[in-house]
Amino acid sequence: AQSVAQPEDQVNVAEGNPLTVKCTYSVSGNPYLFWYVQYPNRGLQFLLKYITGDNLVKGSYGFEAEFNKSQTSFHLKKPSALVSDSALYFCAVRDDNSGNKLVFGAGTILRVKS
Amino acid sequence: SQTIHQWPATLVQPVGSPLSLECTVEGTSNPNLYWYRQAAGRGLQLLFYSVGIGQISSEVPQNLSASRPQDRQFILSSKKLLLSDSGFYLCAVGTSQPGELFFGEGSRLTVL
Repeated sequence: AQSVAQPEDQVNVAEGNPLTVKCTYSVSGNPYLFWYVQYPNRGLQFLLKYITGDNLVKGSYGFEAEFNKSQTSFHLKKPSALVSDSALYFCAVRDDNSGNKLVFGAGTILRVKS
Repeated sequence: SQTIHQWPATLVQPVGSPLSLECTVEGTSNPNLYWYRQAAGRGLQLLFYSVGIGQISSEVPQNLSASRPQDRQFILSSKKLLLSDSGFYLCAVGTSQPGELFFGEGSRLTVL
């Protein structure tokens, strides 16, 4: 079965510093990987995805993620964090060969302090 | 563009009472629809998904059921709520892009 792991419950970073939120995956076949963000008491919003092609994918709000096949990782990154980036971040993998069924990680809380 | 309406936004119900959460989608036809539950503000669990009217797939055995009476309507129900049913329930619709889901704003259920 497809799965993702987010090893950190929370990541703290100072505003202006680079941030990384970690995700590792376990899949059979080619991975379809995603990052979503959730602000308090809101639904999730799609940030970016990796399906094929360049290992560095760019997404919304200045975020990017690096796909690393040898390390089975898909870490989310941003060069300079903003206080407004504080939220709950989910890594996800597509569960089946078609459609949109996703398996989500447990989520990582990102806190950016000014 | 797609819009998802979920109601009620907040609900407090006693143990043993029934439940009905509704999700209505606009701006698309014949969508794949999903119900997720988020407990304790963290991980998401897929409860049900539907690829068409009357077609429901259940992901986990539980106290809940789902129905899809119309193309763009997805309902989550229970006959008798348990304390463990408390959580944040999110409806989502599949987009044309594989794996990309569009989520509603959620319904927060507290069972007392």
